Amino acid sequence: DSGVTQTPKHLITATGQRVTLRCSPRSGDLSVYWYQQSLDQGLQFLIHYYNGEERAKGNILERFSAQQFPDLHSELNLSSLELGDSALYFCASSVGGRAWGGDTQYFGPGTRLTVL
Amino acid sequence: GENVEQHPSTLSVQEGDSAVIKCTYSDSASNYFPWYKQELGKRPQLIIDIRSNVGEKKDQRIAVTLNKTAKHFSLHITETQPEDSAVYFCAAQGEYNFNKFYFGSGTKLNVKP
Repeated sequence: DSGVTQTPKHLITATGQRVTLRCSPRSGDLSVYWYQQSLDQGLQFLIHYYNGEERAKGNILERFSAQQFPDLHSELNLSSLELGDSALYFCASSVGGRAWGGDTQYFGPGTRLTVL
Repeated sequence: GENVEQHPSTLSVQEGDSAVIKCTYSDSASNYFPWYKQELGKRPQLIIDIRSNVGEKKDQRIAVTLNKTAKHFSLHITETQPEDSAVYFCAAQGEYNFNKFYFGSGTKLNVKP
């Protein structure tokens, strides 16, 4: 167990709908990263938050948005869902805030999203 | 930005043999290189990492080597066991762009008993 929690574990919804995925980082971690993993694919970086502020964006669609709250949990909002959005969504947390790299990321169990 | 390439995409070995997975990166400022193991349907789990001030690191049957000049790093698994079967991802993180991890495309390792 990495200490990172994600809810829900599974989500089944229809095209055009909107869903919210939730992530709670490890105790003491200030950084949260979101990744998308489609079937048999690699990990696509979506977005990074540090202590409530957006720090970097990757291949995140405009239909997707995220935020990190004062208690450091994060939510990823996916709207106008399409069939191609079906994937595993992982969040990862790290201590963050270093002036240099080398921050180990610990992954949550993921949320499996199925869009029908 | 950084570009991480990983080879091979699939690797099949006999139990007891060694397995080597290689990654190259493009940004010379990258200085942290973790390796993750992902079993089917589960989370990626860190198995070993290396920083740019170190050339090699070992942890039991697993080792990682880094060649900064050539900008490549490799994962070595010795005495492979069936439970080593999984997808392995390499990643790189930059010194000045530490807000992003760049992952390789993954290697599916199959260890045949």
